[in-house]
Amino acid sequence: EAQVTQNPRYLITVTGKKLTVTCSQNMNHEYMSWYRQDPGLGLRQIYYSMNVEVTDKGDVPEGYKVSRKEKRNFPLILESPSPNQTSLYFCASSILAGKSHNEQFFGPGTRLTVL
Amino acid sequence: QKEVEQDPGPLSVPEGAIVSLNCTYSNSAFQYFMWYRQYSRKGPELLMYTYSSGNKEDGRFTAQVDKSSKYISLFIRDSQPSDSATYLCAMNPPDSNYQLIWGAGTKLIIKP
Repeated sequence: EAQVTQNPRYLITVTGKKLTVTCSQNMNHEYMSWYRQDPGLGLRQIYYSMNVEVTDKGDVPEGYKVSRKEKRNFPLILESPSPNQTSLYFCASSILAGKSHNEQFFGPGTRLTVL
Repeated sequence: QKEVEQDPGPLSVPEGAIVSLNCTYSNSAFQYFMWYRQYSRKGPELLMYTYSSGNKEDGRFTAQVDKSSKYISLFIRDSQPSDSATYLCAMNPPDSNYQLIWGAGTKLIIKP
């Protein structure tokens, strides 16, 4: 089954304790992206990647890191989480080819609470 | 001003009603317009997309784009409780077919 998986689905942590949220897709997509979703603000892009070893900042990159060492994986790293990073996080992927829009496929989300 | 504006709702309507969901945008260069549906505790999924102006129909759903007014709509006919979800509009900036500009999403509740 074609899918984007994220782990963990739920995470409660404390300020300053480093954490990693994993994301993996099995569709051989070039493009991968991380979003956070907050009430009233919609989806805001954190980082994206167009290929292995190529990453770029989105709209809200502060406090986050990413890496793309393999095509299928795109982990999100919070080196020193703070309470304002409490949010619902989504990983998404899509192809890059073609002139049409490219549908983004989303993972199930990770609800993060930072105390 | 946000590039894409969408009323967050919630919008509550009785089963069987016609629902109209809307977004306005500021950049006249947007060309692809998408509607994603997000059920509670799930990631968004693409529902429909249209290119430039005009209408597109898929079963009970119709997507409409009015580029002159910079306004897009999603109509749902014969609404069902299973249509209860958050509906997000999204658009491609002109220089990218992979980056998306998102609306905040409208929460829709269909009452049985």
